[in-house]
Amino acid sequence: RKEVEQDPGPFNVPEGATVAFNCTYSNSASQSFFWYRQDCRKEPKLLMSVYSSGNEDGRFTAQLNRASQYISLLIRDSKLSDSATYLCVVNRHFGNEKLTFGTGTRLTIIP
Amino acid sequence: EAGVTQFPSHSVIEKGQTVTLRCDPISGHDNLYWYRRVMGKEIKFLLHFVKESKQDESGMPNNRFLAERTGGTYSTLKVQPAELEDSGVYFCASSPFTTGSYEQYFGPGTRLTVT
Repeated sequence: RKEVEQDPGPFNVPEGATVAFNCTYSNSASQSFFWYRQDCRKEPKLLMSVYSSGNEDGRFTAQLNRASQYISLLIRDSKLSDSATYLCVVNRHFGNEKLTFGTGTRLTIIP
Repeated sequence: EAGVTQFPSHSVIEKGQTVTLRCDPISGHDNLYWYRRVMGKEIKFLLHFVKESKQDESGMPNNRFLAERTGGTYSTLKVQPAELEDSGVYFCASSPFTTGSYEQYFGPGTRLTVT
C-alpha cells in the first residue's frame, strides 16, 4: 500500500466550477501536510500547508482529518490557470525532513 | 533571489555510462534534498544533506548512486554505471535550517534518459 494515495484523475472541470480533491495517508504518526502544485514538465511548488483547523487562501481551502487520515483540497471559482497536477504531500515530522508524495491528481479547467 | 538551479536540464546516456547531476540550492539554505520521479510513479525521496553531512540517505536505491555536498554548498549526484531503470526526473530541493519553515523549494529537475 502506498503511503499517500490520491485519485490520479484526470479531472476535467468547466471554468468557474468548484472542484475537490482527496488524499489519504497511511502513517498515523505523520505530522505535517501540504498540497503542492506541479505544472507540466515543471518543478513542484508549494500551494499551501494543511492544518487540522482547516485553512483558506483565496479560492483554495485545505482540510485535514487526522482521525480518518484524510486530506482535502477545495478550489472554488476555478480558473484556466488552475490547470495543473496537484500533489498531496506528507512529512513524518515537523521540520526539515523528507517529504512523501502522492502520485498527484491531474486537473484540467475547460473554457 | 535566485531559486534552486540544476544542471543539466536533460541528459541522454547509454546503459553502463556515468552521469553526474548538479544542484545549486538557494543561497544560505543548509538543507538540500534529492528526489526522483520515475515515469508513472510518485516523486520519491533519495537523500537529505544538512550542510555537508548526509542526514538521511534511506531513499538511495543502491550503491550505483553517490551524492556529495562538499563545502555545504552545491551538491552532485553521480550514477555509475547507469541502468535503464534509472531513467526519470531528478529533482533537487532546498530549505533553510530554521524551525517553523518547512517549505522545500524545488529546482526544475534533470530529465535523465538511459538507453
